[in-house]
Amino acid sequence: SQQGEEDPQALSIQEGENATMNCSYKTSINNLQWYRQNSGRGLVHLILIRSNEREKHSGRLRVTLDTSKKSSSLLITASRAADTASYFCATDYAGNMLTFGGGTRLMVKP
Amino acid sequence: NAGVTQTPKFQVLKTGQSMTLQCAQDMNHNSMYWYRQDPGMGLRLIYYSASEGTTDKGEVPNGYNVSRLNKREFSLRLESAAPSQTSVYFCASSERVQGAGELFFGEGSRLTVL
Repeated sequence: SQQGEEDPQALSIQEGENATMNCSYKTSINNLQWYRQNSGRGLVHLILIRSNEREKHSGRLRVTLDTSKKSSSLLITASRAADTASYFCATDYAGNMLTFGGGTRLMVKP
Repeated sequence: NAGVTQTPKFQVLKTGQSMTLQCAQDMNHNSMYWYRQDPGMGLRLIYYSASEGTTDKGEVPNGYNVSRLNKREFSLRLESAAPSQTSVYFCASSERVQGAGELFFGEGSRLTVL
């Protein structure tokens, strides 16, 4: 399977703290994306980083990509209770398909 | 803008029954996808359609068929439902034809097969 794997599977932090989630994958990719899923809802796209990029920012989100280690990280700074959700990485390795990892469940306590 | 709309939102079937999940997008996207989500498994691709008139198998196509009815609509059919198909099904669309771009997801269809 080309599926990415997130680490940790679950993360619990206090509001205001930073949250870091990691994703590892197995083969060369065209791009890597991060998605958020609130309980009982569909996935929402957060950020896309291409294979020739090393870092990307969007608001309180910072994504890094290390193609030599086949890994990516998502950092959420100054977390809020509203950031409580599951976060998934998805890799594009074969063109038209995105392959998703199992996700990290983030709980941000007020 | 409605985005991606899936129907039905909930469905209970008996083993052997058939049903069709409907998906429509109003963003004029070229590509459409069907995923299933099981606890602890993330999302797995069932079928996708890179453009109107084409469909291709994903990771887990067995037991499913799809139809890209037109550019807006992409349906998923279970001909003879099995308990292993109990899952949450998500439809998604993307503007890109070549390469996987940003996906826009529907809210999901929760299917239980007894």
